[in-house]
Amino acid sequence: QQQVKQSPQSLIVQKGGISIINCAYENTAFDYFPWYQQFPGKGPALLIAIRPDVSEKKEGRFTISFNKSAKQFSLHIMDSQPGDSATYFCAASMLTGNNRKLIWGLGTSLAVNP
Amino acid sequence: KAGVTQTPRYLIKTRGQQVTLSCSPISGHRSVSWYQQTPGQGLQFLFEYFSETQRNKGNFPGRFSGRQFSNSRSEMNVSTLELGDSALYLCASKTGSEETQYFGPGTRLLVL
Repeated sequence: QQQVKQSPQSLIVQKGGISIINCAYENTAFDYFPWYQQFPGKGPALLIAIRPDVSEKKEGRFTISFNKSAKQFSLHIMDSQPGDSATYFCAASMLTGNNRKLIWGLGTSLAVNP
Repeated sequence: KAGVTQTPRYLIKTRGQQVTLSCSPISGHRSVSWYQQTPGQGLQFLFEYFSETQRNKGNFPGRFSGRQFSNSRSEMNVSTLELGDSALYLCASKTGSEETQYFGPGTRLLVL
């Protein structure tokens, strides 16, 4: 019930192409869905996030699409660049009592070929 | 503002030993969370401390423990190390009420 399923595990895209990473959840109590980006040797960093009251959020080349009824959300990277090569994690957050609980997907390793 | 810092960055230990990792959060951040990252297992949540109190805990054995000091700095201790404890240990801080976590670069632990 508290899992976040992320796919694919790895992805290879040509420069200029579109990278798509999908996540699914079960618990409707989740109310905040961030995506984190992690480069080798670094910790993850927040890339973009969405709340379930909107169906899409765009920041530059990065877009989150959110389907509340299907309990799915996805990250689209337009015009993918070699510098986008990193591991991407989706997550889902919910309030439990006075605390926020964050559940992570297992990550997607993205390689963008030049 | 300085980011989250973790020390040491790399560590090699042998089975049965214990280890202490340190995390200094961003100034003003009172919440510190610890994660274990291994290939294929993603980010596994260990515990979260807020104002020196543990307020969330993941499903790790009691060999994993932590604490937070009055200046919000946190330490994580692993006793009786096992080979499977080899991982990248990440620390993340936030103010407490916000949702965004800010991660440090991690401590890479190798257990031989």
